[in-house]
Formats: sequence, C-alpha cells, structure tokens
Amino acid sequence: EPEVTQTPSHQVTQMGQEVILRCVPISNHLYFYWYRQILGQKVEFLVSFYNNEISEKSEIFDDQFSVERPDGSNFTLKIRSTKLEDSAMYFCASRGDGSSYEQYFGPGTRLTVT
Amino acid sequence: GENVEQHPSTLSVQEGDSAVIKCTYSDSASNYFPWYKQELGKRPQLIIDIRSNVGEKKDQRIAVTLNKTAKHFSLHITETQPEDSAVYFCAASRGGSYIPTFGRGTSLIVHP
Repeated sequence: EPEVTQTPSHQVTQMGQEVILRCVPISNHLYFYWYRQILGQKVEFLVSFYNNEISEKSEIFDDQFSVERPDGSNFTLKIRSTKLEDSAMYFCASRGDGSSYEQYFGPGTRLTVT
Repeated sequence: GENVEQHPSTLSVQEGDSAVIKCTYSDSASNYFPWYKQELGKRPQLIIDIRSNVGEKKDQRIAVTLNKTAKHFSLHITETQPEDSAVYFCAASRGGSYIPTFGRGTSLIVHP
C-alpha cells in the first residue's frame, strides 16, 4: 500500500537556523498538508496546498514558514529562523481528490530546536 | 472556527472491557468526523470515520455514533485488547477543505 514518507526522521537545529522538512506524498494525491504536534498535545493544522498554491493556513503559519512543491513528488516545509517553541513533531499528509475525505499521514519529523 | 472537545483525557480499562470516548464540536457545518489512533512516536492512523448523513458506523470491534442535533460523536471499542492501547484523537471537518480540527486526545490503557 502506498505511504507518505518524510525525511529526516529527527532534525536538531540551533535557534535562528533555517530548516527544511521534506515529504513525499502518495503519488496520485492532489491535496497536501502540514501539521505539527507539540509533545503531549493535539495535532494542529499548519497549511494546506493544492494546485501549486496555498489553499488555507492557520494562525501558526506565519511569515517564518513557507511551503513548496519543487517537483512532481516532493512537498517541503521551510522554517526560516527557528525558535525554541518550534520544537515539535511535524506531520505531512496527503489526500486524493475532491471526492476523497481521508488524509494519509507521514511518519513525522521530530524537530528539536536548541 | 471549529472547536472540538474530547473526554476523557485518560481511560484505563481491563482487557475485554468496552471503552467509550466522547467528543463535541461547535461548528454545525462540520460534516466529516474521523477518528485517529496514534501509538507512541508514530503517525496518526485513521481507524474509522463517519459522515453527517449517517448516525452510526461499525467496523468489527469499533463503532462510531454521531448526534448532529447535539453536536457530539463517540467512539466505542468492544472487547478491548492490550494492542488497543494508544492515544485516540477525534476530529471534525467541513466539506471543501476537509481540514480536521482535532480534539486533545484520549490515552487509552488496556491492562492485560
């Protein structure tokens, strides 16, 4: 069964540094998402992406964040200048088409900002 | 925006017992309600979902009920097994974006 993949599994970075988290969604999916989960808390929506543009974003997704689909397979989340409070698990998800409700989550990238 | 409340935060049961997790939502336009199971350090995985045009759905030992009037929905797990131990998240979303708003999660512990 096809799965969403994410790299790296764990990223440690210093405050103020830029990080790029990578995702490969399921190949025929059209909708892409990033979520974050601070340790012990609920999953929070960051941004959705469709047809090569952001379709919706949350208050968390400020100017420090950006997303890109640089080619036909990768979907990236960039944090320009990391803060301590950006430490969290970041999940990518993808969804098939407009008639499909289910989102498939990747295994996550644990980001630790020191 | 949507607000999802989930109870209890922790649920401890004996193997073979039933477990019930309850959620309420605030946006009457929400029409899709997935439930996710998340094992420690792993991705959320969809275990069952329900759309607003039905009141109940079952899949083996798992069932979900939806009361649109009261804006609440519940997850029922029967004959619990130790491998059911995980954090369970309910979520609510509306048509179009289907972006789920998650509840805070219930840590289910099934004692052998």
